[in-house]
Amino acid sequence: DVKVTQSSRYLVKRTGEKVFLECVQDMDHENMFWYRQDPGLGLRLIYFSYDVKMKEKGDIPEGYSVSREKKERFSLILESASTNQTSMYLCASSQQGRLNTEAFFGQGTRLTVV
Amino acid sequence: QKEVEQDPGPLSVPEGAIVSLNCTYSNSAFQYFMWYRQYSRKGPELLMYTYSSGNKEDGRFTAQVDKSSKYISLFIRDSQPSDSATYLCAFLKGNTPLVFGKGTRLSVIA
Repeated sequence: DVKVTQSSRYLVKRTGEKVFLECVQDMDHENMFWYRQDPGLGLRLIYFSYDVKMKEKGDIPEGYSVSREKKERFSLILESASTNQTSMYLCASSQQGRLNTEAFFGQGTRLTVV
Repeated sequence: QKEVEQDPGPLSVPEGAIVSLNCTYSNSAFQYFMWYRQYSRKGPELLMYTYSSGNKEDGRFTAQVDKSSKYISLFIRDSQPSDSATYLCAFLKGNTPLVFGKGTRLSVIA
């Protein structure tokens, strides 16, 4: 059974803290993605990666960075958390080589910044 | 013009009704057309995908694509309370990240 695992379901952090969101997939997928999901705004792409040590900016990268040191792990970093980064964060992975029609999502991390 | 438009709802229907969910898009380069389903407090999961114009059926679900009108639909027959979820359309061009609609929240009332 395919799996994308996000390290936390719920997280509360203070303004200004550095926050790490971890995502691990067990499907040997090349592609990994970070989205945030907000009511009325849908899913917005933050960063994505097509290979180890590669990263590409998505639609809303400001205030975020990512790290992909191993194929199975893709980390999202909030350098200095702000209240407008309170959101649901979703990690996804997909296979390269074939069209990535099926992206597998994790359960999401609901982050609250106070 | 937005790349993808999807009515957010909410849509509330009685059990057994036929549900029609729709998206319009503006990018003629989109090649694949998908529907994802997202239950509350879960990540989205792929429901169906199609490549060409026409219909694709899977059980109670039918996906329809009209490339000439840039319009896609998902029909749910004999809707069940377990179909209550948010449905997201998604589009793909080449090896680029999926482009999602904002999602339509559906409630099927028993």
